[in-house]
Amino acid sequence: EAQVTQNPRYLITVTGKKLTVTCSQNMNHEYMSWYRQDPGLGLRQIYYSMNVEVTDKGDVPEGYKVSRKEKRNFPLILESPSPNQTSLYFCASSLTGGAPYEQYFGPGTRLTVT
Amino acid sequence: TQLLEQSPQFLSIQEGENLTVYCNSSSVFSSLQWYRQEPGEGPVLLVTVVTGGEVKKLKRLTFQFGDARKDSSLHITAAQPGDTGLYLCAGGLGSNYKLTFGKGTLLTVNP
Repeated sequence: EAQVTQNPRYLITVTGKKLTVTCSQNMNHEYMSWYRQDPGLGLRQIYYSMNVEVTDKGDVPEGYKVSRKEKRNFPLILESPSPNQTSLYFCASSLTGGAPYEQYFGPGTRLTVT
Repeated sequence: TQLLEQSPQFLSIQEGENLTVYCNSSSVFSSLQWYRQEPGEGPVLLVTVVTGGEVKKLKRLTFQFGDARKDSSLHITAAQPGDTGLYLCAGGLGSNYKLTFGKGTLLTVNP
């Protein structure tokens, strides 16, 4: 089954404790992206990757890191999480980064930072 | 400033009614997509429109891309409770590899 998987689905952590949210896709997609979704603000792009070893900032990259060492995986790293990073996070992938930009989303990771 | 404005923000209707939601921008998009998101899940792609004036139908859902490729609408005929969800539009701008989302329309269809 073609899918995007994320782990963990739920995470409660404390301020400053480094964490990684994993994302994997099995569709051989070149483009992968991370979003956060907050009430009243909608979906905002954090980082994206056009292909292996190629990443770029989205609209809200501060406090996040990413890496793309393999085509299928695109982990999101929070080196020192803060409460304002409490959010619902989605990983997405698409065949390429160009038009028509059709993206397939993972199930989401709900992160709470206390 | 929100690049994509969706309206209405909330919509509550009875089963069997028709409805239209809108996605508007002052920018020209190379393509525009509609997604539906249910609580606790990721958005699921419904349709992509690429050509100005394009109309696509998905069962009871009709999607239209404006002639100038700045706006789009989603019309649902005879809404059903299963149509309940957050409807998001998203657009891509030329060679920019970012996808911009509207804030969504939260639709509730009451039985």
